[in-house]
Amino acid sequence: GAGVSQSPRYKVAKRGQDVALRCDPISGHVSLFWYQQALGQGPEFLTYFQNEAQLDKSGLPSDRFFAERPEGSVSTLKIQRTQQEDSAVYLCASSPPPGQARYSNQPQHFGDGTRLSIL
Amino acid sequence: AQSVTQPDIHITVSEGASLELRCNYSYGATPYLFWYVQSPGQGLQLLLKYFSGDTLVQGIKGFEAEFKRSQSSFNLRKPSVHWSDAAEYFCAVGGSGNTGKLIFGQGTTLQVKP
Repeated sequence: GAGVSQSPRYKVAKRGQDVALRCDPISGHVSLFWYQQALGQGPEFLTYFQNEAQLDKSGLPSDRFFAERPEGSVSTLKIQRTQQEDSAVYLCASSPPPGQARYSNQPQHFGDGTRLSIL
Repeated sequence: AQSVTQPDIHITVSEGASLELRCNYSYGATPYLFWYVQSPGQGLQLLLKYFSGDTLVQGIKGFEAEFKRSQSSFNLRKPSVHWSDAAEYFCAVGGSGNTGKLIFGQGTTLQVKP
C-alpha cells in the first residue's frame, strides 16, 4: 500500500481482556518497529523485526506483551490480561532494507497508530 | 545511556514570528538525528534528518536544524511560523544506518497565536 496501515484505529477493552493490534507495513520494507506512546509522552520503543525475525524485544514492558511477524510482512502486537497502564497509542513503523534506509527521504514510515483504552 | 531531552514542553509563538525548538541528546557514538511532527490523531511525519556532512540540515515545510556536536544539540528552527505549524514536535536519535530503534524526546507542543 501507499503507507503503513494500522488497525483498528481505536480499541476499547475491559481490564483483563486480551487485545490484538495489526500493522501492515509498506510493501518491500523488511524492518518493522512497534512503539508505545503514552499520553503527553514521546514514543517508546517496544520491539523490532527484520523480516520474520524478532531481533530486539528489549522494550516490551512485560511478558503480557507479545509480537509476531510470521511471514515477514504483517505484524501483530498482542497484549494479554490488559491493565489500565497499557492505555496508550501503539505506533508501527517500517523501513526499507538497511542498505537503502540511509538514503531514503523517510527512513522510518509511521502508521497513524492504534489508540488503546483499557477501562 | 542514550537519551533525548526537549527542555520546552510547551511553546507559544505568534504567527509570522521565528521559532526555535531545543533538543539535546546523549549518545555514545555518532548520532543519527531526526525531527518529527505529529498532528492530533496522526502518526509521525519526518521533518528532517541528520546523518553526516553539512551540520545545517534543511527539511520540509521550511524547517531547518543545526547539529552542534560540542553542545550535543540539534535545535529545530523556522524563520516564520504559520498557524498550520501548531502540532507536537519530537526530536529523536537513532543508531548507525537507522536500522535500529529510535529514542524520542518527550516532545514540545507548539501553539501559534493569530
